[in-house]
Amino acid sequence: DAKTTQPNSMESNEEEPVHLPCNHSTISGTDYIHWYRQLPSQGPEYVIHGLTSNVNNRMASLAIAEDRKSSTLILHRATLRDAAVYYCILDTGTASKLTFGTGTRLQVTL
Amino acid sequence: DAGITQSPRYKITETGRQVTLMCHQTWSHSYMFWYRQDLGHGLRLIYYSAAADITDKGEVPDGYVVSRSKTENFPLTLESATRSQTSVYFCATGAQETQYFGPGTRLLVL
Repeated sequence: DAKTTQPNSMESNEEEPVHLPCNHSTISGTDYIHWYRQLPSQGPEYVIHGLTSNVNNRMASLAIAEDRKSSTLILHRATLRDAAVYYCILDTGTASKLTFGTGTRLQVTL
Repeated sequence: DAGITQSPRYKITETGRQVTLMCHQTWSHSYMFWYRQDLGHGLRLIYYSAAADITDKGEVPDGYVVSRSKTENFPLTLESATRSQTSVYFCATGAQETQYFGPGTRLLVL
């Protein structure tokens, strides 16, 4: 499975944008880039995914580098409820096996 | 409309006992998964199922047994619990490109 590299932790102020980076230099042409997050004491939840083009949904935006070797999850206005561990995962896009790393722990402060 | 549920939510057992963790979904998704999450680690896949009567091993299957006689249920059994199986267990279902996770079962093996 292709691997991803994320910073262990990041901090943000409430109401400000947050850019969570992910490196995936060994990504293959068929790998989708998925982002999940895990709030404290809960199961992971889907955030967003994409293949080549940038993607937007109600939760976040996903910016994918032209060479696809990196991507950035963008939370446009962080709130305290966005404090979670964010996982960047590569997958073939079939909702089959996902390999979770240790993710980025996002702290949001007032 | 519960979606995906797990039971029990909390369980304390003793070494050597058999324990079964239940997972039930109301969506009829084909794929179902069992993960474990240990303190400070990401999720690791134990077993998964692509459809009723089809199961396959994940990353850490030793000591666990699964079955899937019905699409909506995917029980996980620890045949003889060990302390190293103390963990939080998450069940998930898969639909197209997304996985949906249950709330988790916290298992303590004494």
